[in-house]
Amino acid sequence: GAGVSQSPSNKVTEKGKDVELRCDPISGHTALYWYRQSLGQGLEFLIYFQGNSAPDKSGLPSDRFSAERTGGSVSTLTIQRTQQEDSAVYLCASSLVRVAGANEQFFGPGTRLTVL
Amino acid sequence: DQQVKQNSPSLSVQEGRISILNCDYTNSMFDYFLWYKKYPAEGPTFLISISSIKDKNEDGRFTVFLNKSAKHLSLHIVPSQPGDSAVYFCAASAGDTGFQKLVFGTGTRLLVSP
Repeated sequence: GAGVSQSPSNKVTEKGKDVELRCDPISGHTALYWYRQSLGQGLEFLIYFQGNSAPDKSGLPSDRFSAERTGGSVSTLTIQRTQQEDSAVYLCASSLVRVAGANEQFFGPGTRLTVL
Repeated sequence: DQQVKQNSPSLSVQEGRISILNCDYTNSMFDYFLWYKKYPAEGPTFLISISSIKDKNEDGRFTVFLNKSAKHLSLHIVPSQPGDSAVYFCAASAGDTGFQKLVFGTGTRLLVSP
């Protein structure tokens, strides 16, 4: 597709339920990132994937959060046993890998998660 | 610990005037800085970037200035237009190869009035 797409755009769930958020990166982009933005906060890094390398999970806030990327393309972020503090907009981004200099990351529209 | 700080949550300017958005950082390992613009219900879009080896980068109406000694950067928009009204995020990264996770500030909401 032309840009990064995410689904669903909105998700309302009850505390304790599991949720899955999907990201389709830009075709050909080898790097994929997940961020989240809580109310009044900046974007918080969660995890990134680069090709077949092991993902950098250093930003995941707890072991209830996990993500996978199948076939080097689509990624799914899973939150188990959701808590109210998980409510946020979850943003996915993708980028090419450059030899030097920071990469421009292209963001999707995000999934707004509300945990009741 | 907020490594990238945008201390002004909002800024209002009149159309045609200059908008100056500020950003401070604490991590001296950061060597690349980016500005993103975000409209409601959309993801952030890349605006302009600057490497730590430079002190200025210009792209049309947008100029980013970097003061490494002060660990401060700013985004100048001139002339400002109503369509520039959005939330602006400053971001930083460390390392100059491959890919990097970005560290974002909390954003500044810019309102440009006609």
